[in-house]
Amino acid sequence: GESVGLHLPTLSVQEGDNSIINCAYSNSASDYFIWYKQESGKGPQFIIDIRSNMDKRQGQRVTVLLNKTVKHLSLQIAATQPGDSAVYFCAGPFGGGYNKLIFGAGTRLAVHP
Amino acid sequence: SQTIHQWPATLVQPVGSPLSLECTVEGTSNPNLYWYRQAAGRGLQLLFYSVGIGQISSEVPQNLSASRPQDRQFILSSKKLLLSDSGFYLCAWSVSTGGQPQHFGDGTRLSIL
Repeated sequence: GESVGLHLPTLSVQEGDNSIINCAYSNSASDYFIWYKQESGKGPQFIIDIRSNMDKRQGQRVTVLLNKTVKHLSLQIAATQPGDSAVYFCAGPFGGGYNKLIFGAGTRLAVHP
Repeated sequence: SQTIHQWPATLVQPVGSPLSLECTVEGTSNPNLYWYRQAAGRGLQLLFYSVGIGQISSEVPQNLSASRPQDRQFILSSKKLLLSDSGFYLCAWSVSTGGQPQHFGDGTRLSIL
């Protein structure tokens, strides 16, 4: 959801394990959600999106789950690799219109060999 | 395929100097264009967006302005920079229909001295 913080939460995983990154939102007025990956010094990279008429969507090694009842979004990364190390953001219009994405504060994923 | 270019990648400017950051998109027509600022360790804050040439929507009051002189060109400007203008500036584009992801450039790191 929409939150700000000076210290990013960090998820540390072993290479090869599955990773789950979570996002909670408080505004129900969003019918579209996006996950982005941001590597150091680069712009966010689109990973996967999901519309509110779906509960699950799969991509290559990634799955997004949407639970509208508890207002929770998660990104699952299978067989996590060192190249997956980055900050991950969830985003959505949250009632402000598709041009006004609101981003979460992000979660840092650290993959250890 | 579509590409987005931002320049410069890094910029150091004195307080009170002017600013001009440029963003261009290739491979698409009539995109929606966006300027964001990202403070260290935080999410993205939408500054401006544009749905067409000469059409600019400002999201937060600030020392900055934006212009769209051509369909695929978006410029972020300031007449006199403040110390608080330091940050990572990101340009993004999306297709003009709603519910589509925004795609980001690699950003400009702006330091004000």
